[in-house]
Amino acid sequence: DQQVKQNSPSLSVQEGRISILNCDYTNSMFDYFLWYKKYPAEGPTFLISISSIKDKNEDGRFTVFLNKSAKHLSLHIVPSQPGDSAVYFCAASEIGDKLIFGTGTRLQVFP
Amino acid sequence: GAVVSQHPSWVICKSGTSVKIECRSLDFQATTMFWYRQFPKQSLMLMATSNEGSKATYEQGVEKDKFLINHASLTLSTLTVTSAHPEDSSFYICSARGLAGATDTQYFGPGTRLTVL
Repeated sequence: DQQVKQNSPSLSVQEGRISILNCDYTNSMFDYFLWYKKYPAEGPTFLISISSIKDKNEDGRFTVFLNKSAKHLSLHIVPSQPGDSAVYFCAASEIGDKLIFGTGTRLQVFP
Repeated sequence: GAVVSQHPSWVICKSGTSVKIECRSLDFQATTMFWYRQFPKQSLMLMATSNEGSKATYEQGVEKDKFLINHASLTLSTLTVTSAHPEDSSFYICSARGLAGATDTQYFGPGTRLTVL
């Protein structure tokens, strides 16, 4: 049972444009959500998080939106840069509990 | 801040030998550490959760006698793959959760690539 889903395995975006990565979850008890970026043969790097009391959190070029009623969150990267090319994982948890990861979306930003 | 290291970064061993992987939180105290493995083109799979000074909690399907976890201090956890076999070849990643930044954010190590011949 996949509680956190990233339905798009890959995304290709032109440099300078907006990248939108999506994530859906099924467990209504999740109250903390995170996005990680991962390069091959490296550990994930924390990007940004959001708790369920908010619907938006912004950090530089990265913004995460949370729609609790739809059980959906998204990560917006603007403007996209070639260095953003990586696999992006969303993750969710009940506070204090383990993270449940999605299957990842491979983002490619081309010039 | 919030740096997590792993050692070794890669290891090749013969079938039947044991391999120890270390995970250290370098600039914060990790009350909880997690061990994951990742197969190619798949998501991270949580193997176990360990709290300092107590026994690890293993996920369903993970053999606790094969994957020994020790969390001896607030900055160090070790994973020992005992009697490794080729099917144990994988990318093992640890993460640490503690007092750095948001309390529920996990910070990951760089991973260890294990190849069992």
